[in-house]
Amino acid sequence: GESVGLHLPTLSVQEGDNSIINCAYSNSASDYFIWYKQESGKGPQFIIDIRSNMDKRQGQRVTVLLNKTVKHLSLQIAATQPGDSAVYFCAENMGGGFKTIFGAGTRLFVKA
Amino acid sequence: NAGVTQTPKFRVLKTGQSMTLLCAQDMNHEYMYWYRQDPGMGLRLIHYSVGEGTTAKGEVPDGYNVSRLKKQNFLLGLESAAPSQTSVYFCASRRDTGVSGANVLTFGAGSRLTVL
Repeated sequence: GESVGLHLPTLSVQEGDNSIINCAYSNSASDYFIWYKQESGKGPQFIIDIRSNMDKRQGQRVTVLLNKTVKHLSLQIAATQPGDSAVYFCAENMGGGFKTIFGAGTRLFVKA
Repeated sequence: NAGVTQTPKFRVLKTGQSMTLLCAQDMNHEYMYWYRQDPGMGLRLIHYSVGEGTTAKGEVPDGYNVSRLKKQNFLLGLESAAPSQTSVYFCASRRDTGVSGANVLTFGAGSRLTVL
């Protein structure tokens, strides 16, 4: 299940299960949202994005859901694999699209 | 195609020393960014640039200066380093895709700075 650790919220799942990572964003004027994955010792990498005129977008094994009413994003990973272990960040675009602001992140552990 | 390259990768400074982090991108991206990441936390935007010769402040700009003299390079300077600036610094860049395009950042591998 999901728990709040000393620093990052942590989610631990069994290999093969589905993962759901949640994110609350701050600015109701933000119109573009992105999920990034950061593996240990590396910079963040793009996973999937969604515009505010959509409420769902699917990629390969990943789905992003957007609920503008409560300013909430979620990232769903199907059939989670050990290689999915990483820190996941949601990010929002504001300020005319120039600035990308990141959320605090969630650490995903995948148990084999 | 190297993408985004940051130098140096590691640096140890004493309080009060100055240094410059260099970010270079070979993708002809218009926008470039400097973030810092503290242990167990997200990335906070320090400064950014929307084009050669232009810079703007982000969330945590104090104690840092930046310059974008060439389109491919974005320099982050610390004039008088403080222990609170111990962090991992990430540079990122992206294309100008307009208001409806995909604003996806490409990140460098990070520069770990320790200020004693």
